[in-house]
Amino acid sequence: QKEVEQDPGPLSVPEGAIVSLNCTYSNSAFQYFMWYRQYSRKGPELLMYTYSSGNKEDGRFTAQVDKSSKYISLFIRDSQPSDSATYLCAIWHTGFQKLVFGTGTRLLVSP
Amino acid sequence: NAGVTQTPKFQVLKTGQSMTLQCAQDMNHNSMYWYRQDPGMGLRLIYYSASEGTTDKGEVPNGYNVSRLNKREFSLRLESAAPSQTSVYFCASTLGGGSNYGYTFGSGTRLTVV
Repeated sequence: QKEVEQDPGPLSVPEGAIVSLNCTYSNSAFQYFMWYRQYSRKGPELLMYTYSSGNKEDGRFTAQVDKSSKYISLFIRDSQPSDSATYLCAIWHTGFQKLVFGTGTRLLVSP
Repeated sequence: NAGVTQTPKFQVLKTGQSMTLQCAQDMNHNSMYWYRQDPGMGLRLIYYSASEGTTDKGEVPNGYNVSRLNKREFSLRLESAAPSQTSVYFCASTLGGGSNYGYTFGSGTRLTVV
């Protein structure tokens, strides 16, 4: 079992839809939770960063963490074609002092 | 502010050839990482350097070596390339020292071994 599980997709939605991307993790030593966005043929870029359980909002993006269920989500409201990318969850392993990544979910937003 | 710079961007090697992938960061970060990314496999850690002067193996170190040349530069060497090393390679850095502000990635090197 991987430490961080993420559905690879692809997830196809029409423009304007609400998108939900999810990851589960297995290790309670994970403390800091991040979402990266990766456009085709580019490196991943940090999109959202959160520590505690609950919600964090940034424009059309909301990151949600449920530590009791070991479940993290990224919601995108009013999705745009420019949101088409691969989204990777990443969690900081405090024991090994490095990030553990999910495999990424490919999102396609059609006009 | 260039961030993390990787060279080259593309490379084609023949089986058995060697090459070095270069990575440099200008953010005064302590920790640097090399990943490979393959379809369906996600990002897999090859080697990392928590601080200048130290290097450690990641998940998939076989066939690779690294050098932390100084605080800015972290290179990845393939001594005898194999087709299984065809991949996209990413270098990343972070402040480190127990901080956890996420990684900054380079734009990647696309390597094909024929």
